Amino acid sequence: DAGITQSPRYKITETGRQVTLMCHQTWSHSYMFWYRQDLGHGLRLIYYSAAADITDKGEVPDGYVVSRSKTENFPLTLESATRSQTSVYFCASSDPGTVYEQYFGPGTRLTVT
Amino acid sequence: EDQVTQSPEALRLQEGESSSLNCSYTVSGLRGLFWYRQDPGKGPEFLFTLYSAGEEKEKERLKATLTKKESFLHITAPKPEDSATYLCAVQAGSGGSNYKLTFGKGTLLTVNP
Repeated sequence: DAGITQSPRYKITETGRQVTLMCHQTWSHSYMFWYRQDLGHGLRLIYYSAAADITDKGEVPDGYVVSRSKTENFPLTLESATRSQTSVYFCASSDPGTVYEQYFGPGTRLTVT
Repeated sequence: EDQVTQSPEALRLQEGESSSLNCSYTVSGLRGLFWYRQDPGKGPEFLFTLYSAGEEKEKERLKATLTKKESFLHITAPKPEDSATYLCAVQAGSGGSNYKLTFGKGTLLTVNP
């Protein structure tokens, strides 16, 4: 199916474990983004990527790592999960021709115990 | 620093009772203002982009307007299916930061039958 997908949709992990959230889009959009959404904070940008092999930090990058070897995939890794990283994570993508309009995936709800 | 404030935080309407949501912003060099709709457990869904003061966009019962300091999302004769959280975001600046969206915290709209 065309669009943007995220996996897993739900994840429970323990403090200190490494966890990777996957994001896949079929539009061949150049730009991809990772956000977290928390009550009281709204959506905050973690990392973004302008193209394959080009990534940069957003507003709240600490504790996260990203990579982008292929245009369609943009995984987000929590190297050593902490309780403060319990959140809902959204991936988004954008067409460079209309760079302002970002299209979001369904989200991953992550709980760190 | 770019700031986006949405009001009210929550709004309850009766079916057919028209109202407006507000998004006020403080940015340096607005490039665009965006409205998204977010249903519980889902990712934000793009609604509108507004680029300059005086611009208006319509979609079904929704109309978005933009001034130099704020945007309104007018909801005419709402139905229960319009119940959702409505997010406002701005894109500002130039050069390397023009991909970045700053989101407000949203307005939770509930329309009772």
